[in-house]
Order: sequence, then C-alpha cells, then structure tokens
Amino acid sequence: KQEVTQIPAALSVPEGENLVLNCSFTDSAIYNLQWFRQDPGKGLTSLLLIQSSQREQTSGRLNASLDKSSGRSTLYIAASQPGDSATYLCAVRIQAGTALIFGKGTTLSVSS
Amino acid sequence: GAVVSQHPSWVICKSGTSVKIECRSLDFQATTMFWYRQFPKQSLMLMATSNEGSKATYEQGVEKDKFLINHASLTLSTLTVTSAHPEDSSFYICSASTRTGQVDGYTFGSGTRLTVV
Repeated sequence: KQEVTQIPAALSVPEGENLVLNCSFTDSAIYNLQWFRQDPGKGLTSLLLIQSSQREQTSGRLNASLDKSSGRSTLYIAASQPGDSATYLCAVRIQAGTALIFGKGTTLSVSS
Repeated sequence: GAVVSQHPSWVICKSGTSVKIECRSLDFQATTMFWYRQFPKQSLMLMATSNEGSKATYEQGVEKDKFLINHASLTLSTLTVTSAHPEDSSFYICSASTRTGQVDGYTFGSGTRLTVV
C-alpha cells in the first residue's frame, strides 16, 4: 500500500531564507506527483506537478524535484516570504485515473 | 484553467440532520469526481470515487449509506451526509480529474467545513 510521508511536520523560518520540504513515498511505481498549498480552512492550490518521467519542475521561486527510484521528492522555496506561510501537501498518483494519495503536510511559517 | 465550485464553504447542522455538499465543474466536464475528508492536522483521506452516471466506489471504512454520492451529470457531483453526528465534523473537499494535453492533474474545490452540534 502506497504511503506518503512529509518531513518536517512544521517549519519556522525568517523571511528571505531558502528552504526545502521533503516528501517520501513507499512505492516507486507512481504515475505523477503533485505539490499543493493549503491555507487554513481553505481548499488546495496546485503548485507543481511532476510526471514520473520528469526529474523536476519549476515555477517562479518554487522548484520541485523527483527521484522516483528512491521514492523522494523535494520542494525548494527560494527567498521565502511571509505570504508563503501555509501548509504544503505532497501527493502521488499511482495510476492514470486514480485518486491522489496525500501526505500529512508541512506547515510553514515565515516571519517578517 | 479548470475550476471546481464547491458549496457551501461551511455549514453547522444539528445532530441527526442531513447535509448536502455540491461540487460543480464550471468550464469543463468532470467525468470523475473524488471526495476527500480531512480531520484536523491529518492528511486528506479519500472517501469515494464517483463517475458520471454510475454508482460511487467507496473506500474501506466509509459507510455508503451514510455518505451518499450522486454524480448525475458531467458538471455536478453531490455528497450528502445523512443523519450527521458530531464525529462527522470535518473538512470535506472534492476534486475533479482534469487533463491538459498529456498531463493528468487535479482541480480541487474550496472545501466545506462541516460542524455537527
């Protein structure tokens, strides 16, 4: 059974720091992996989607990498800002047409 | 891009009553809708998968007679929590499968915070 783990569970950094969020999954046979942002009491915003054949995706200050063989993905946030404060969720999809399997998330707090 | 509208965003109901949550795909046809539940500080857990025009497939441990899912059209899926109890208080969120070119992704509704008193 596929399980997704995110470390750390919570992270506090001062504004301007670069940071890395980690995601691991137990079965390397995935279809794709997606990173989301969730603000308190809100829905999910998709940040980056990496297909299983890809190694990384970039969007602005965000960069996500995927090492399928080791079952790991990282989300790199450059020059963090207070507006980046949110919970970041990693999720994998094992086959086309199936639901996402989520980790518990990393709650990020960026102080000004 | 693809948008899923979910409402209500929050609801408070009395124990024993039923609550309906709606998810509409606004600019695309959602052949498959996934329903998730999220308890505080927990991950999103899949409750059921619904395909337009057919019965929903429920995950193990989810009572299909309690959580009624209807996906009668390509743009509307509903989740009805019947005879709600305080332990059903949670954040419910729907997700539609979308496809952009060769890329499969998901679009999520904004979620519904259900509080049963």
